[in-house]
Amino acid sequence: AQSVTQLDSQVPVFEEAPVELRCNYSSSVSVYLFWYVQYPNQGLQLLLKYLSGSTLVKGINGFEAEFNKSQTSFHLRKPSVHISDTAEYFCAVSDSGFGNEKLTFGTGTRLTIIP
Amino acid sequence: DARVTQTPRDKVTEMGQEVTMRCQPILGHNTVFWYRQTMMQGLELLAYFRNRAPLDDSGMPKDRFSAEMPDATLATLKIQPSEPRDSAVYFCASGKTGQLRNTEAFFGQGTRLTVV
Repeated sequence: AQSVTQLDSQVPVFEEAPVELRCNYSSSVSVYLFWYVQYPNQGLQLLLKYLSGSTLVKGINGFEAEFNKSQTSFHLRKPSVHISDTAEYFCAVSDSGFGNEKLTFGTGTRLTIIP
Repeated sequence: DARVTQTPRDKVTEMGQEVTMRCQPILGHNTVFWYRQTMMQGLELLAYFRNRAPLDDSGMPKDRFSAEMPDATLATLKIQPSEPRDSAVYFCASGKTGQLRNTEAFFGQGTRLTVV
């Protein structure tokens, strides 16, 4: 079984400041990791994913995340946030083995950008 | 622009009524997921299919929920009878699984269900 912990339920950040949203996972097997963003009344949109290779992953909208296997973390970062980044962010994990595609999500972090 | 289409977007129904939610996955995708999102439980996997075959529906209350894929272009989630605690946003997502495995799931806009 896998689990995802997003330590912060809400993160307020001033516009143009950097932000880090934390994500830790637990799994007994090798995993794939994802960050999704959800804007109000919308579905989830993939920001970035880690499948293998370089542990630093770059995604859309200037976001990046770093996979740290020893710390079982996959924190999301952006060097300078914009008002339009206000949304809920979900970290998710899936088993990397074939036949186990289902995603387990964290509880989400609500990012609020302060003008 | 390929996308997952869900209908209806909003549904208000009375307790005890049957509710059917529909999902059209992205053409060529062979994996379909149903998730439920509530404030209390977050995003929960209800069921998922690969090549139209149900693989896991352990998250779904069996007595009132059912999920099917009549064909590759349609997935349905049915609740009968509906109860107020079923009020939530239901998301469908699709993906493509094959030899070069990629579990990226594309989500629809969701169906917001309110049972009164």
